[in-house]
Amino acid sequence: KQEVTQIPAALSVPEGENLVLNCSFTDSAIYNLQWFRQDPGKGLTSLLLIQSSQREQTSGRLNASLDKSSGRSTLYIAASQPGDSATYLCAVRFGNEKLTFGTGTRLTIIP
Amino acid sequence: NAGVTQTPKFRILKIGQSMTLQCTQDMNHNYMYWYRQDPGMGLKLIYYSVGAGITDKGEVPNGYNVSRSTTEDFPLRLELAAPSQTSVYFCASSQPIAGGDEQYFGPGTRLTVT
Repeated sequence: KQEVTQIPAALSVPEGENLVLNCSFTDSAIYNLQWFRQDPGKGLTSLLLIQSSQREQTSGRLNASLDKSSGRSTLYIAASQPGDSATYLCAVRFGNEKLTFGTGTRLTIIP
Repeated sequence: NAGVTQTPKFRILKIGQSMTLQCTQDMNHNYMYWYRQDPGMGLKLIYYSVGAGITDKGEVPNGYNVSRSTTEDFPLRLELAAPSQTSVYFCASSQPIAGGDEQYFGPGTRLTVT
């Protein structure tokens, strides 16, 4: 079964630190991978989309990497801010099927 | 652009009642999706559509129906509400491109069935 795992489920980091969120998936034959942010009681906001042919994508203080051979993606957040506090979801499109979502990492930035 | 809009934001239903969750997008996307999100779980795909007049089942379609008469609208129908359908429902849309499409989500509908 194709699965997406995000560990840890929750993470607290002091403001200003750089941090890495992890996403692992069970099948290396992915089509693309998308990172989302979800604020409490809100919908999902797309942060970065990595195509299967790409190794990384960057947007501002965010950098997402993709290593298909090891079944892993990371989301790097530089110089964290309290406004970065949210749940971060990883979603993988296996083959050309629909998105499979991880259960997310709840990030808290401590001022 | 408003993006993806959903109504209502909240709803409480009694067991056995019916309702329709509305979803509209103004980005002219061909693909639209309905997901449900339960506490501590990832999003599960209920139904999706690749264009007007075309719908298909996702991972958890039982108890739901959809229609896609226009590009913009993709309503989700619950015919006989059950407590197991208590969840947060998200609608999303995307436009297929080479290498994969980026999905855009609505704000969600929080549904409680009692």
